[in-house]
Amino acid sequence: DGGITQSPKYLFRKEGQNVTLSCEQNLNHDAMYWYRQDPGQGLRLIYYSQIVNDFQKGDIAEGYSVSREKKESFPLTVTSAQKNPTAFYLCASSMRGGMQFFGPGTRLTVL
Amino acid sequence: ELKVEQNPLFLSMQEGKNYTIYCNYSTTSDRLYWYRQDPGKSLESLFVLLSNGAVKQEGRLMASLDTKARLSTLHITAAVHDLSATYFCAVEPEGTGTASKLTFGTGTRLQVTL
Repeated sequence: DGGITQSPKYLFRKEGQNVTLSCEQNLNHDAMYWYRQDPGQGLRLIYYSQIVNDFQKGDIAEGYSVSREKKESFPLTVTSAQKNPTAFYLCASSMRGGMQFFGPGTRLTVL
Repeated sequence: ELKVEQNPLFLSMQEGKNYTIYCNYSTTSDRLYWYRQDPGKSLESLFVLLSNGAVKQEGRLMASLDTKARLSTLHITAAVHDLSATYFCAVEPEGTGTASKLTFGTGTRLQVTL
């Protein structure tokens, strides 16, 4: 089945800890994206990548880092510098200039 | 900075009624998208609108785009309970290249009651 997978579904982080969220796609899409969604809000773009080994900051990149070593994978690290990381994180992918398709999401909570 | 505003933010409507959700944006745009989100779930793609006057329909939902007014509408015809969800519009500014850098509206939460 073609699609986008994210893991884990739920993640708990202690203060001062870095955590990494996984995103994998087998749609052969060039572009991949990470968004953050807070309760009752729209989505905000964290990072995006158009091709392997290249990525750009979105609107709220501070406290986050990404890598794009393979076309299929775009992991997001939430660092200790992100002071308010509790949110729903959504990964998406698209063909060049096409509709973005979203994964099931990871819900991150700070303990 | 691109701003995308949706209204209303919350809409409670009876089954069988018609209503329209509005999406206004502040700069010229290459494309406009509509998505649906069920509570606690991810986003499901509904429509992409590519040019002025574009109209797309799927079941009881119809989306349109007026690029001169910088306005898109999502019209609901004869609402049914299954349409209860939050609906987002998302705008891609002109010239963002191969990756579509979207700005999302805050969403319209639709509740269809019996």
